Amino acid sequence: GIQVEQSPPDLILQEGANSTLRCNFSDSVNNLQWFHQNPWGQLINLFYIPSGTKQNGRLSATTVATERYSLLYISSSQTTDSGVYFCAAMNTGNQFYFGTGTSLTVIP
Amino acid sequence: DAGITQSPRHKVTETGTPVTLRCHQTENHRYMYWYRQDPGHGLRLIHYSYGVKDTDKGEVSDGYSVSRSKTEDFLLTLESATSSQTSVYFCAISELSSYNEQFFGPGTRLTVL
Repeated sequence: GIQVEQSPPDLILQEGANSTLRCNFSDSVNNLQWFHQNPWGQLINLFYIPSGTKQNGRLSATTVATERYSLLYISSSQTTDSGVYFCAAMNTGNQFYFGTGTSLTVIP
Repeated sequence: DAGITQSPRHKVTETGTPVTLRCHQTENHRYMYWYRQDPGHGLRLIHYSYGVKDTDKGEVSDGYSVSRSKTEDFLLTLESATSSQTSVYFCAISELSSYNEQFFGPGTRLTVL
């Protein structure tokens, strides 16, 4: 399977600050997704992004498939951004492999 | 939001008892998945299904079985629960025509005493 590594494991931000989360994967992928797990445990889809760049409001993501990494940018962070951010990757077959996540705490 | 429900949402059981978790979808997606989430491990795939009666193992399948007799339902069974199976279990669905983007259910918290 694919090895997926996320960094940093923990991040504490002041409200309004920007941050970059990184996801490295060990093999070529045909599917890469970013998820946010809120404090209630719900997993929310942020981006489907096997390559290229996408933006959705204050969040954007870039995947450089040839170099096997993806970045999630959070700008002007808010307390509601707190939670755990997961990257998940899939290559051949239908198995997703998840990283262990980045735990983000935004303090007012 | 994708139409995925899981039942029960919480369950406490004793070691050695059988347990069945249900995932139900209203999206008519072909693929369904069961994951477990444990501290320090992220989410790990237990089993998945690529159609009615078609299933395959994931990376942590030991001690679990699955069944899919209808497109909309995917059952996860612990034949004889152990304390190491205490976890949060998530179901997910995807469809090739939607680039296999996965959508998750709300999760089931299982405690095995």
